[in-house]
Amino acid sequence: RKEVEQDPGPFNVPEGATVAFNCTYSNSASQSFFWYRQDCRKEPKLLMSVYSSGNEDGRFTAQLNRASQYISLLIRDSKLSDSATYLCVVNEGNQFYFGTGTSLTVIP
Amino acid sequence: DAGITQSPRHKVTETGTPVTLRCHQTENHRYMYWYRQDPGHGLRLIHYSYGVKDTDKGEVSDGYSVSRSKTEDFLLTLESATSSQTSVYFCAISLQGFRETQYFGPGTRLLVL
Repeated sequence: RKEVEQDPGPFNVPEGATVAFNCTYSNSASQSFFWYRQDCRKEPKLLMSVYSSGNEDGRFTAQLNRASQYISLLIRDSKLSDSATYLCVVNEGNQFYFGTGTSLTVIP
Repeated sequence: DAGITQSPRHKVTETGTPVTLRCHQTENHRYMYWYRQDPGHGLRLIHYSYGVKDTDKGEVSDGYSVSRSKTEDFLLTLESATSSQTSVYFCAISLQGFRETQYFGPGTRLLVL
């Protein structure tokens, strides 16, 4: 049983499209939630934290549904530079659990 | 950039040899972490440190040891490297602990032959 599950994709979308990723987590006691972005052969970088009320940062919107134990990331008006792997991250006590990532390619 | 460096960035070694990876930070963050990343797995925590000489095990600690004698340096040692330890190793830091954002170093690619 994996603590965090993500659809690996790949998602191939045209520029300007809207794309959504979901992530489910297994422990209802999980406390903090994040989306990270990882480019090929690079380190993960924080995209945004996920708050209970949902939060937005420009073209990116994150939602948390504690009752159903899932986190979502919505990307609007996709850019070529959005092509990357998106990692869902969940904190449980003294542990971070990472999903395996969802691969996104934005096509011209 | 989060002021984290890792060395070496690439290493090829043979089974049975000891290997030490170094993580260095300039941010004076209290918490430091070592992860490994393998295909089909998310990043997995090996060990972490919550202060000088204060360390604890993570999810996949077998075969690894760590030391932190200074705030800025966190060392990961493979006492006797095995092929299953071929991986990409990332160091990360955070200011307050697990509930906060972690910032990652550039990674070390280790190949154990």
